[in-house]
Amino acid sequence: GNSVTQMEGPVTLSEEAFLTINCTYTATGYPSLFWYVQYPGEGLQLLLKATKADDKGSNKGFEATYRKETTSFHLEKGSVQVSDSAVYFCALSRGGNNRKLIWGLGTSLAVNP
Amino acid sequence: EPEVTQTPSHQVTQMGQEVILRCVPISNHLYFYWYRQILGQKVEFLVSFYNNEISEKSEIFDDQFSVERPDGSNFTLKIRSTKLEDSAMYFCASSGGSRGETQYFGPGTRLLVL
Repeated sequence: GNSVTQMEGPVTLSEEAFLTINCTYTATGYPSLFWYVQYPGEGLQLLLKATKADDKGSNKGFEATYRKETTSFHLEKGSVQVSDSAVYFCALSRGGNNRKLIWGLGTSLAVNP
Repeated sequence: EPEVTQTPSHQVTQMGQEVILRCVPISNHLYFYWYRQILGQKVEFLVSFYNNEISEKSEIFDDQFSVERPDGSNFTLKIRSTKLEDSAMYFCASSGGSRGETQYFGPGTRLLVL
């Protein structure tokens, strides 16, 4: 079946450190891939997405590249800020008649000043 | 910027009672969704809705659940007889019609069943 596996948290970093959150997926066909972020006490916001192989999604200094050969969509940021502290969710959608988002467990990130 | 809204933000109910969670999706969107997130756990898909009918539903979405688009703007989730395990944050989302279209989420309704 379709699934998303994320690295377990929590992840604790110092400000300006490099961030990687690993995400791998299992899916038939060519899914679209997403990273959503949930700040404390808030809802789910799209951070970035990629809809086909080798696409790179980017937003707010975060990047992720759709790697079909490794079925991965790892999230990276070169220099994290305290305001990046949140829970990050990787998700996929197969599209067509199967548009539901299938979610990873989420990775909690805490950035210390 | 258009956004998805949800009401109420919090609801407390007794086990066995009916609850209706309300959502106003983004106005030109075609697909509507409900998800839930039990505290500390992953986000789970419940149901998707397109062209006035359910297009997909999960195993969680049993006969106790129903969805409706009663008018041109609202999208509701009804739980007929709530159980303790229905306590969760419920998120509504909407998206346009293109492949890979972003789903935009509302702020959620926190439901507590006592």
